[in-house]
Amino acid sequence: ETGVTQTPRHLVMGMTNKKSLKCEQHLGHNAMYWYKQSAKKPLELMFVYNFKEQTENNSVPSRFSPECPNSSHLFLHLHTLQPEDSALYLCASSQYRGTTEAFFGQGTRLTVV
Amino acid sequence: RKEVEQDPGPFNVPEGATVAFNCTYSNSASQSFFWYRQDCRKEPKLLMSVYSSGNEDGRFTAQLNRASQYISLLIRDSKLSDSATYLCVVNANTDKLIFGTGTRLQVFP
Repeated sequence: ETGVTQTPRHLVMGMTNKKSLKCEQHLGHNAMYWYKQSAKKPLELMFVYNFKEQTENNSVPSRFSPECPNSSHLFLHLHTLQPEDSALYLCASSQYRGTTEAFFGQGTRLTVV
Repeated sequence: RKEVEQDPGPFNVPEGATVAFNCTYSNSASQSFFWYRQDCRKEPKLLMSVYSSGNEDGRFTAQLNRASQYISLLIRDSKLSDSATYLCVVNANTDKLIFGTGTRLQVFP
């Protein structure tokens, strides 16, 4: 059982498709994050939301578009992705951004074909 | 210099052994430090926070050395189930957590 749930767990999409990843946290946290994890690389922070406001966009290409309608939900909208975007996408939340531990969802394993 | 640096390993140790990992960080203003554990194809999970005075949780001990800017994780009496990748995490500018690449540990019978 996890306080942060992500759907779908696996996704295969073509380069012309549009899809969305969903994240929901049940922990009452104020900050939510999207991370990307590629093979042999450290987790890369993509976006940070604090109290529903985006506070960080870590030079992420515009083909990734986040949305945070409320402090419990976070989406990552995907369009015209490239094969090199195939990775594990992890959502996380923390009580406060940066200074408290983050709790992760199980991730969405994305394959772009 | 990388913001957070770890030896990727793998560290191959027999059951019952003691193993230690170090992690160096570049931002001297960092305030929060954590060790996470990540199993293969799973999400990272918090193992323990690292406090200035050091802290212990069962077989696991974490230490912080601010002068030399490194944190360490010591695992005593290794179990097969300890096999995983251990991620060092440091906050940057109080705004975001920076993850190291991880150190892979393999415990063998």
